[in-house]
Amino acid sequence: QSVLTQPPSVSGAPGQTITISCTGSSSNIGAGYDVYWYQQFPGTAPRLLVAGNNNRPSGVPDRFSGSESGTSASLVITGLQAEDEADYYCQAYEFDTSLSPVVFGGGTKLTVL
Amino acid sequence: QVQLVQSGAEVKRPGASVRVSCRASAHTFTVKYIHWVRHAPGHGLEWMGRIGPYNVGTLYSPTFQGRLTLTTDTSSSTSYMNLTLLTAADTAIFYCATNVGGRRPFDSWGQGTLVTVSS
Repeated sequence: QSVLTQPPSVSGAPGQTITISCTGSSSNIGAGYDVYWYQQFPGTAPRLLVAGNNNRPSGVPDRFSGSESGTSASLVITGLQAEDEADYYCQAYEFDTSLSPVVFGGGTKLTVL
Repeated sequence: QVQLVQSGAEVKRPGASVRVSCRASAHTFTVKYIHWVRHAPGHGLEWMGRIGPYNVGTLYSPTFQGRLTLTTDTSSSTSYMNLTLLTAADTAIFYCATNVGGRRPFDSWGQGTLVTVSS
């Protein structure tokens, strides 16, 4: 059971906008630090996609954006493309010392219809 | 981005130990923290621990405390993850990843190492 909760799957048609949610608590997302999103294709390592609110590493299209509110965060993908089909993970830092200091969501599989 | 190259796949018996290596440029280990992440089949990513520059600032997840040892050999530019008392639940891909410390994201990842635990 992951500390951060994500929907197991989302889907959308090419060109559509989808949102992947990531729900935590006051001891992680709600503590006010950035939430990070990673993209992972089958058989490859995760890669950093979005850091905090819309900070993207070089090469990541601006179709990908992140936002945070309270104890939740969201990844929004606009203009969905077939190449976006992948698994997406959120990650935050945990301040409950009984838990791991780094927590991930369980991952969301994005299917492009 | 930093290039991280991990060692090859391993097959281990239950109760055994495994050591996975993560090689990078010498400079990496003087400025970056090396983290290890487990990705078991059908599960999400799970943070295991991290080791800081010059082998300081080592921190382990409570889940792995007592079974996990992280070290870095700066002379060979290689970081190691040693996990003991393996069970079938440890069958997973293990990744090393870097960040600059603090509460920053993991900006580079190794290609992953598959560890299979089976009798």
